[in-house]
Amino acid sequence: DIQMTQSPSSLSASVGDRVTITCRASQSINTYLNWYQQKPGKAPRLLIYAASSLQSRVPSRFRGSGSGTDFTLTITSLQPEDFATYYCQQSYSTPMYTFGQGTKLEIK
Amino acid sequence: QVQLQQSGPGLVKPSQTLSLTCAISGDSIFSNSAAWNWIRQSPSRGLEWLGRTYYMSKWYNDYAVSVKSRITISPDTSQNQVSLQLNSVTPEDTAVYYCARYTYNGYAMDVWGQGTTVTVSS
Repeated sequence: DIQMTQSPSSLSASVGDRVTITCRASQSINTYLNWYQQKPGKAPRLLIYAASSLQSRVPSRFRGSGSGTDFTLTITSLQPEDFATYYCQQSYSTPMYTFGQGTKLEIK
Repeated sequence: QVQLQQSGPGLVKPSQTLSLTCAISGDSIFSNSAAWNWIRQSPSRGLEWLGRTYYMSKWYNDYAVSVKSRITISPDTSQNQVSLQLNSVTPEDTAVYYCARYTYNGYAMDVWGQGTTVTVSS
């Protein structure tokens, strides 16, 4: 199985900050990498697919980049509604879709 | 707008069968650009993909190795819904269970059900 490792596991930031979350795959996954946001008691929400494509109705302050084994999710100018847990997920090794362990973004 | 509505019991006894249903609206279960998945989430396992069903001239299933001997995912074409059955459950199967649509247009899970918290306890 392809392992997905996110860093950091948690992160404190302030409204208006720029934050970056990284995700590393245990082998090359080309750009088959997706990012999800999850708020407490809710299902994950797709933000970015194919490493850098913005899902419909997702604000443009969310940006994804990377290919191969290393990927990043950047949120420019954090908004109050962005404080949540973020997960990466690979869809290269279909259908054994594996997720990262999550990065919890908290208010400083 | 595609929506997935989950239903099923929140409490299951050990050794019994967990059964959940995911009703699809706004899309067809026969879609050739989608697969219908079940995923669970627990503090110990994180987000864990369990299996999927999809139609491509006929029905196909794939299951995670960790549950392959105990799981069945079935399409109900008359109701446009997908069901999950997990047999011989133990407390380790306690989790929030989600159904999700995987789209081949982006190779991602773009629509999720609301989640069902299932507790395995006597």
